[in-house]
Amino acid sequence: GQSLEQPSEVTAVEGAIVQINCTYQTSGFYGLSWYQQHDGGAPTFLSYNGLDGLEETGRFSSFLSRSDSYGYLLLQELQMKDSASYFCAAYNQGGKLIFGQGTELSVKP
Amino acid sequence: ETGVTQSPTHLIKTRGQQVTLRCSSQSGHNTVSWYQQALGQGPQFIFQYYREEENGRGNFPPRFSGLQFPNYSSELNVNALELDDSALYLCASSLNTGADGYTFGSGTRLTVV
Repeated sequence: GQSLEQPSEVTAVEGAIVQINCTYQTSGFYGLSWYQQHDGGAPTFLSYNGLDGLEETGRFSSFLSRSDSYGYLLLQELQMKDSASYFCAAYNQGGKLIFGQGTELSVKP
Repeated sequence: ETGVTQSPTHLIKTRGQQVTLRCSSQSGHNTVSWYQQALGQGPQFIFQYYREEENGRGNFPPRFSGLQFPNYSSELNVNALELDDSALYLCASSLNTGADGYTFGSGTRLTVV
């Protein structure tokens, strides 16, 4: 089967750094994407790792290790507006996205 | 860029009925995917269309069907609605493979009673 595992919830304070881990087991794996979703609205694309290593986009970074079937999203300088659900998604052959169950991030003052 | 728009935003249907949900893809995007998201869960892949042809399907029964039109709009049809079909239905579009990210619409909230 195909599955992605990520923590159900994470809590952090403003200004802190938080890491959301994702392990995956999928066939035809091409890369790992991350999406942010506020209150059941439209998921928003954050990053994509097609190769092993770190990708940095502003305050957000994402990492992939294919040998470990593992990736993470790193959020720095947390802001209140970062409170949302974060999904890792395996990008498979043919461009299909298989999503994890999501991690609810709560940022406290 | 006009983004992805979905209609209607909310819908209530009775068990056994049929429903059609509509999506207008971002301009120029030739790939559209549909997802079902139950409350508190991740989106589940239903199917994908590329240039009006279905090119991938998730673990959903045949009563879930779709179409993509030449103007890149698309629709999701669900027949014989069941209570468990109650969910947020998301449409996402991309240019070709989508490795650079899909653009999602805000979804249609379907309630089956």
